[in-house]
Amino acid sequence: EPEVTQTPSHQVTQMGQEVILRCVPISNHLYFYWYRQILGQKVEFLVSFYNNEISEKSEIFDDQFSVERPDGSNFTLKIRSTKLEDSAMYFCASRIGHRSSYEQYFGPGTRLTVT
Amino acid sequence: DQQVKQNSPSLSVQEGRISILNCDYTNSMFDYFLWYKKYPAEGPTFLISISSIKDKNEDGRFTVFLNKSAKHLSLHIVPSQPGDSAVYFCAATDGNNRKLIWGLGTSLAVNP
Repeated sequence: EPEVTQTPSHQVTQMGQEVILRCVPISNHLYFYWYRQILGQKVEFLVSFYNNEISEKSEIFDDQFSVERPDGSNFTLKIRSTKLEDSAMYFCASRIGHRSSYEQYFGPGTRLTVT
Repeated sequence: DQQVKQNSPSLSVQEGRISILNCDYTNSMFDYFLWYKKYPAEGPTFLISISSIKDKNEDGRFTVFLNKSAKHLSLHIVPSQPGDSAVYFCAATDGNNRKLIWGLGTSLAVNP
């Protein structure tokens, strides 16, 4: 069964460093998302991506964040200069894009620890 | 911003009995609702969904009920099994981009 994959599973970085989180969505899906979950808090939407551009972003997704789909398979989230408060689980998700079918399928997540 | 609320942080049920997980929402624009199951150190796994034009959707042991007038939905698991022990998230969506708005989750423990 097709699945969303994410690498690395755990990333430790120092404050101020750049990190890139990688995702491979399900191959025939058209919509891609990043979410994060800070420990003990809700899962929060960061950004959605469709047709090679950002379709919506949250207030969290400021100019320190960027996303890219550099080829036909990878979908990356870059944080340019990490802060302590960026420590969280980051989940990538994809959706097929058919009308009336809005289920998103999630990867296993990347645990980002900023020290 | 509490658009989706799961007011019970935890629930404990005996194996074979019914588990009922509840979710309330405030945004009347939401038109599609989803339940996800999550084990520790894994991503959320899609379980079942319901469109706002329906009031019930069933898939095997899982049934979701939607009461639009009360802005309330519930997930019923019958019969509950120990493998169902996990955190269950309610999520809602609307609009073109279909971002998911999440509840805080309910931790279900099914005891043998």
